[in-house]
Amino acid sequence: EAQVTQNPRYLITVTGKKLTVTCSQNMNHEYMSWYRQDPGLGLRQIYYSMNVEVTDKGDVPEGYKVSRKEKRNFPLILESPSPNQTSLYFCASSMRKRNTEAFFGQGTRLTVV
Amino acid sequence: AQSVTQPDIHITVSEGASLELRCNYSYGATPYLFWYVQSPGQGLQLLLKYFSGDTLVQGIKGFEAEFKRSQSSFNLRKPSVHWSDAAEYFCAVGANQAGTALIFGKGTTLSVSS
Repeated sequence: EAQVTQNPRYLITVTGKKLTVTCSQNMNHEYMSWYRQDPGLGLRQIYYSMNVEVTDKGDVPEGYKVSRKEKRNFPLILESPSPNQTSLYFCASSMRKRNTEAFFGQGTRLTVV
Repeated sequence: AQSVTQPDIHITVSEGASLELRCNYSYGATPYLFWYVQSPGQGLQLLLKYFSGDTLVQGIKGFEAEFKRSQSSFNLRKPSVHWSDAAEYFCAVGANQAGTALIFGKGTTLSVSS
């Protein structure tokens, strides 16, 4: 089954404790991205990757890091989480071509206390 | 700058009534347009998309949307709403050449009353 898998689904952590949210897709997609969803703000792109070893900032990259060492994986790293990073996070993947669509993971609800 | 506006934050519709959710976009080139639905506690599911061609597109679950270039709109419609349609709906525009960098509207929450 084609899917984007995020882990964990739920996470509560403390300020400053480094964490990683994993994202894996099994569709051989070139393009992967991370979004955060906040009430009243919709989804905003954090980082994206056009292919292995190619990453770039989205609209709200501050406080986040990503890496793309393998095509299927695109982890989101919070080196020093802060309460304003409490949010619902989605990973998405798609083919890098016209007339395509993005497939989303189930989301990771992160709470930073 | 590219943007998507969903003017209605929250809409309540009676079960069986028709529905229209509004979406306006700002994008310089030919837009790739999408509607996604998010049920409570779930991820995003693609309802329909527009890339080119027929401006009236059909999607899943009985939804359709009409692209109107002159009005920069891509409104979502359904002739008869079911209680299971209660969810949050997001309009998005693909902001790069491949349409993969999505810019989302802030969403419209649909409530269905019996």
